Parts: sequence; C-alpha cells; structure tokens
Amino acid sequence: GIQVEQSPPDLILQEGANSTLRCNFSDSVNNLQWFHQNPWGQLINLFYIPSGTKQNGRLSATTVATERYSLLYISSSQTTDSGVYFCAVGSNYQLIWGAGTKLIIKP
Amino acid sequence: SAVISQKPSRDICQRGTSLTIQCQVDSQVTMMFWYRQQPGQSLTLIATANQGSEATYESGFVIDKFPISRPNLTFSTLTVSNMSPEDSSIYLCSVVPGTGAYEQYFGPGTRLTVT
Repeated sequence: GIQVEQSPPDLILQEGANSTLRCNFSDSVNNLQWFHQNPWGQLINLFYIPSGTKQNGRLSATTVATERYSLLYISSSQTTDSGVYFCAVGSNYQLIWGAGTKLIIKP
Repeated sequence: SAVISQKPSRDICQRGTSLTIQCQVDSQVTMMFWYRQQPGQSLTLIATANQGSEATYESGFVIDKFPISRPNLTFSTLTVSNMSPEDSSIYLCSVVPGTGAYEQYFGPGTRLTVT
C-alpha cells in the first residue's frame, strides 16, 4: 500500500517565524489533504491539493504529484498555529495518514 | 463543507461495558467514515459506514467489536463493545459531502477513557 512520510516530526519555533512541512508519498495519488489538529483534538481541513499550489492567508501548499511530495508553508507563525499537522493521501475516498508534524509556536 | 456533530464529546467508561457514539451531519453526504486515534498517534480508519447496509471494515477491525449503523444519509453510530483500557482513544466521524470530490471533513471527536 501507499506509504506516507512527514518531516520533521517535531518543530519548535518562535512566534513570527516561517516554516515548511513536507509530505512524501510512495505512489501516485489523486487525493491529498492537509489537516491541522489543534490542542483540543479538532481536525481542521487546510487544503485539498492533489496537485498544484493553493494559498489561504498565511498558509500555502504545493503538491508536485510527479515527484510524489507536498509542502505546507506557514508564514509569520502565531501561537494558535500550534498543534499537529497531518498529510493524508489516497487514490479515492479512503485516506492513508502520515504520522504528523507536531508544531509548537512559542510566544 | 458540512457541519458535523458528535455525541458524547467525552466519556469515562468501565471495562466490559459498551458505548455508542453518534454522528450527525447537517446535510446529506455521500460517504461517512469512522476513525480511531490512539494517544499520541495518527488516525486509523475503522470502517466506511454504508447507508442501508453493513459497514465495510478495515483490517484489524470487526463488526462484533465495532458495530456501525447508518440508517440515512445524515446520521451514523459507532458502538465500542466490551471495552478494555486499550480502547481508550479519540473516535472521529468524517464525511465526504458530494460525489466527484474527495475532500473529507471531520467531526469534533469523542474522547473515550476506559478504566
């Protein structure tokens, strides 16, 4: 089955810093999503991005499907950005999940 | 997107008992899924809840332990049966609202502790 690797596993930054999170996957996919799980456990959709580039405020994402990776960029980090960021991929409705990147933003 | 609610939000249960978790969506959706998230781990798919028929379970999950119902296009339940401390997890309901798009949305989760 498809393997999903996220890096780095942990990231600690000062407020205002920028960060790049990476998701590598082992096979072609037509479904790729980024999620943010806040400290209370709520999973929030960030991007549905099987290919191309999208931006939403301080967040943007790029997926290079031919090279089997996706990047999530967070600019000007805020403490509310803390939590775990998951990449999930699949060839249809079912998603295979990465282990996540735990992000801590210090004030 | 869809607005998804889950009940209960959290519970503490005794070993050997069962708990039924409800998932309600504010609009009809194509697909509904149930996930488990063990402490400090990523998400694992338990099953796809099929409207009007038996759920489709993933490897390692069985109907006797995790019976699922989906009587219509807006509601599903997951029961965690004969619980043990290893069942302590967050249980999440998710939906794919329409056909032709794979974007998935999650409910707030049910945090279960088994003592």
